[in-house]
Amino acid sequence: DGGITQSPKYLFRKEGQNVTLSCEQNLNHDAMYWYRQDPGQGLRLIYYSQIVNDFQKGDIAEGYSVSREKKESFPLTVTSAQKNPTAFYLCASSTGRGQGYEKLFFGSGTQLSVL
Amino acid sequence: GQNIDQPTEMTATEGAIVQINCTYQTSGFNGLFWYQQHAGEAPTFLSYNVLDGLEEKGRFSSFLSRSKGYSYLLLKELQMKDSASYLCAVRDRDYQLIWGAGTKLIIKP
Repeated sequence: DGGITQSPKYLFRKEGQNVTLSCEQNLNHDAMYWYRQDPGQGLRLIYYSQIVNDFQKGDIAEGYSVSREKKESFPLTVTSAQKNPTAFYLCASSTGRGQGYEKLFFGSGTQLSVL
Repeated sequence: GQNIDQPTEMTATEGAIVQINCTYQTSGFNGLFWYQQHAGEAPTFLSYNVLDGLEEKGRFSSFLSRSKGYSYLLLKELQMKDSASYLCAVRDRDYQLIWGAGTKLIIKP
């Protein structure tokens, strides 16, 4: 079955540590996204990529980094510069054709907590 | 700034009907989405509206009024599995998605 896989489901970060969240899709989608979800707030865009080897900052990119070396993969690194990383992280993909009705397909999320 | 408002939480009874409202103020409009998200899981697509009116899809319907900046999601014949958060999102003139904080719907027997 086609879909998006995020791993791990739960992740703990120590002070000063970088951690990487995995996101893989087999939907043959061009566009991929990383969102952060905090209680009581809407989804906030961290980074997005519309094509391999290219990505753009979203609204809250500081303290995060990404790469897009393969169409299927879009890992997110939460660096030690991100001082408040505790959140639920969602990866999504779409066809990337830029049409208004283009819907997102989401992974099941990673809950990141600070030790 | 851009803003989407939804009620934080709603409670309804199994078998009943519930309407979840969403009002928006965005820079331009290129469509409105509703997603369902069970706790700790992936949001899943429910509906898309770009023209005024009602779109019906089984037990779920979504309505849009662009002049009022208003949408609602109508859920009929509520089932316990409908207990979830419902997210409203608007695509603005730059095709960026602006998300509401979501409405947590609690279904009671």
